[in-house]
Amino acid sequence: AQRVTQPEKLLSVFKGAPVELKCNYSYSGSPELFWYVQYSRQRLQLLLRHISRESIKGFTADLNKGETSFHLKKPFAQEEDSAMYYCALSGGGSYIPTFGRGTSLIVHP
Amino acid sequence: DGGITQSPKYLFRKEGQNVTLSCEQNLNHDAMYWYRQDPGQGLRLIYYSQIVNDFQKGDIAEGYSVSREKKESFPLTVTSAQKNPTAFYLCASMNVDRGRGYTFGSGTRLTVV
Repeated sequence: AQRVTQPEKLLSVFKGAPVELKCNYSYSGSPELFWYVQYSRQRLQLLLRHISRESIKGFTADLNKGETSFHLKKPFAQEEDSAMYYCALSGGGSYIPTFGRGTSLIVHP
Repeated sequence: DGGITQSPKYLFRKEGQNVTLSCEQNLNHDAMYWYRQDPGQGLRLIYYSQIVNDFQKGDIAEGYSVSREKKESFPLTVTSAQKNPTAFYLCASMNVDRGRGYTFGSGTRLTVV
């Protein structure tokens, strides 16, 4: 079975501070991992995928198979980063991701 | 402009009524999905369809039904058997190249009155 854990329901930081949203997963094979973001009054959208190894809006996420983690990081948070963030995992030939419960990020001015 | 459209945005249902939520996509995606989003519970899969005329139950299918008669359309019916239907419902689609991730609709908020 595959499982995604986002241990923090809420993360509150000040503008300019580093931010790390944690994601841990449980899966025996090779996972595909994603971060999705939902800004206020906007639809849920894909932020980044681990296979792309990309940086989007200053965010990066590295897959650590040893620690089974895929934490989302940004060195300097901005107010516009305030949103709900979901980590998701697909594996085993399934196209259906399992989502974590989400972390609400609030960036204070 | 390609995308996925859900309608209506807000829906009110009386106890004992069935209601149907619409989801249409013009992205030529093969697979479509319905999720329910509740505060603190993340996204839970209701039904999914990876090909026309075929669909599978997700984790919380009880009280819901779907159809997939056309590639572009995947309507969800919330039946009177669903005990707690008040929620935010999200439709998503995906190309079979799964590395691209989901495209989501803007959601329908259903309230039972």
